[in-house]
Amino acid sequence: NAGVMQNPRHLVRRRGQEARLRCSPMKGHSHVYWYRQLPEEGLKFMVYLQKENIIDESGMPKERFSAEFPKEGPSILRIQQVVRGDSAAYFCASSPQDLREQYFGPGTRLTVT
Amino acid sequence: QKEVEQNSGPLSVPEGAIASLNCTYSDRGSQSFFWYRQYSGKSPELIMSIYSNGDKEDGRFTAQLNKASQYVSLLIRDSQPSDSATYLCAVNNSNYQLIWGAGTKLIIKP
Repeated sequence: NAGVMQNPRHLVRRRGQEARLRCSPMKGHSHVYWYRQLPEEGLKFMVYLQKENIIDESGMPKERFSAEFPKEGPSILRIQQVVRGDSAAYFCASSPQDLREQYFGPGTRLTVT
Repeated sequence: QKEVEQNSGPLSVPEGAIASLNCTYSDRGSQSFFWYRQYSGKSPELIMSIYSNGDKEDGRFTAQLNKASQYVSLLIRDSQPSDSATYLCAVNNSNYQLIWGAGTKLIIKP
């Protein structure tokens, strides 16, 4: 049973470009969570999605950030017009329907130059 | 008041000793409690989950939950240098959301 997959593992973008981060949950998991982590800091919740629904986006910045989890395909976290402050590790986690343990992917490390 | 609190450490423990990590939470409606381990530069890894009062043992790890006092702890017996990491406490609140502590950095000294 494959774990949570994220790609790319490393992403470099210039200021003003767009970043697209992808996450495929574990097989059988229908709940996806996105987190951001700055170096030496804790995990910050961004958004919780189920298939075709955003359940909670209270942790997402109001501008430039969006997320989706379509019926088919991976979940996408999209950051438009990136700035240096967006540089961080972005982790995706998934959980089964009973909303218990969350399992994390390896993360995408975004660097904005 | 932070919803999930952990001592940031670092907590330094000699190799072979017991490491004790503590976490307190504020939401009395919380039902699920988790410990994750995160090595530097890596993603969090689930190591223990506990749902009812008492102790739960898994190998060298024991999770302890006391809902009346609103704390959950993790004991690591026979600590090894490879246990050096940041340990994150996470609590599932009355809704679906996992509330995360800031983590305790554990250092096992050979």
